[in-house]
Amino acid sequence: EAGVTQFPSHSVIEKGQTVTLRCDPISGHDNLYWYRRVMGKEIKFLLHFVKESKQDESGMPNNRFLAERTGGTYSTLKVQPAELEDSGVYFCASSQEWETEQFFGPGTRLTVL
Amino acid sequence: GDSVTQMEGPVTLSEEAFLTINCTYTATGYPSLFWYVQYPGEGLQLLLKATKADDKGSNKGFEATYRKETTSFHLEKGSVQVSDSAVYFCALSDSSYKLIFGSGTRLLVRP
Repeated sequence: EAGVTQFPSHSVIEKGQTVTLRCDPISGHDNLYWYRRVMGKEIKFLLHFVKESKQDESGMPNNRFLAERTGGTYSTLKVQPAELEDSGVYFCASSQEWETEQFFGPGTRLTVL
Repeated sequence: GDSVTQMEGPVTLSEEAFLTINCTYTATGYPSLFWYVQYPGEGLQLLLKATKADDKGSNKGFEATYRKETTSFHLEKGSVQVSDSAVYFCALSDSSYKLIFGSGTRLLVRP
């Protein structure tokens, strides 16, 4: 069974540009989460989807970040416009139920110059 | 709010050495505690977990005991291998879906 996949693995953009990260969860997992690790610090929760609905987006840093999960399958996280402080590693995770184990993808390393 | 503090790395050990990575937490309730590991180029993997006080989680030779009195969940392994080189994250969950992570500790094991 395929795990959680993320694309791209690495993105380098200039400040002010737009970047879209994609996450494909494990098939059948209704719950999808985004986390990020900035500057080698702790990994922080961004938001949680159940199917296509946002259950909790309390961790989203500001309105430059937009997450979608159309059709309840893959999810995208768009950063527009990107700022220097957005650099970091963005992780996606999925789980069958909200209280069961979260399986993580390899992450997307975003570098904003 | 809830938080996790773990020792800064990198931790460099020789093969077969004893490993301890310290982790302490702050939580208002009775969280579940986890250790995740990230090998180079891979995603985070759940290494072990404990859901209540005095529980011991174990996997692949690693162990951690949930100590409520000291609010700690230190990771130990008796004899590390080169293949254990990775970044280790301590985390808690306060009975919700949110995982709260520490800042990670990089372990480098030399042959």
